[in-house]
Amino acid sequence: GNSVTQMEGPVTLSEEAFLTINCTYTATGYPSLFWYVQYPGEGLQLLLKATKADDKGSNKGFEATYRKETTSFHLEKGSVQVSDSAVYFCALSSRMDSSYKLIFGSGTRLLVRP
Amino acid sequence: DSGVTQTPKHLITATGQRVTLRCSPRSGDLSVYWYQQSLDQGLQFLIQYYNGEERAKGNILERFSAQQFPDLHSELNLSSLELGDSALYFCASSVAASASEQYFGPGTRLTVT
Repeated sequence: GNSVTQMEGPVTLSEEAFLTINCTYTATGYPSLFWYVQYPGEGLQLLLKATKADDKGSNKGFEATYRKETTSFHLEKGSVQVSDSAVYFCALSSRMDSSYKLIFGSGTRLLVRP
Repeated sequence: DSGVTQTPKHLITATGQRVTLRCSPRSGDLSVYWYQQSLDQGLQFLIQYYNGEERAKGNILERFSAQQFPDLHSELNLSSLELGDSALYFCASSVAASASEQYFGPGTRLTVT
């Protein structure tokens, strides 16, 4: 079945460091791929998405490119801030008959120190 | 703010009890999804409703049920609660039944003691 694998956290970085959070997926067909972020005590927020191979999603300085050949969708940011501390979830949309469900990775906690 | 609202924010109850969680989707969204987030299982899809009708089922226990009302709000009913049902329950909504982009509410934290 479809699945998403994320690197285990926590990832601890100093402010202004470069961030990469790895995400790989297994899927039939051509799913859309997403990154969601969950700040402490809050729900999930859609951070960015990509709907087809070679698409690059970007938002708030974060980027991820849909790589079909490596089945990956790694999240990157050039210079992290303390306010980026959160849990990041990679997800894919999995077709269910005439609908979709989201399949999530296990989440990666990011802690940015000043 | 995603525009999806959930109540209550927190719920503490005892084993064997029954609770109802409520969700109002974003304005204009017809589809509602329920997810469970627990430490051991991660985020799992439970069930989807579209315009009042059940559309898809995921890993939802028989003790759990849901419905979507004519005003499009949805309720998730959890009965005969067990300690293992303690989790965060999220509602999400989307415009159409087949829209892959979903917007999440803040969640309801259920603690079963």
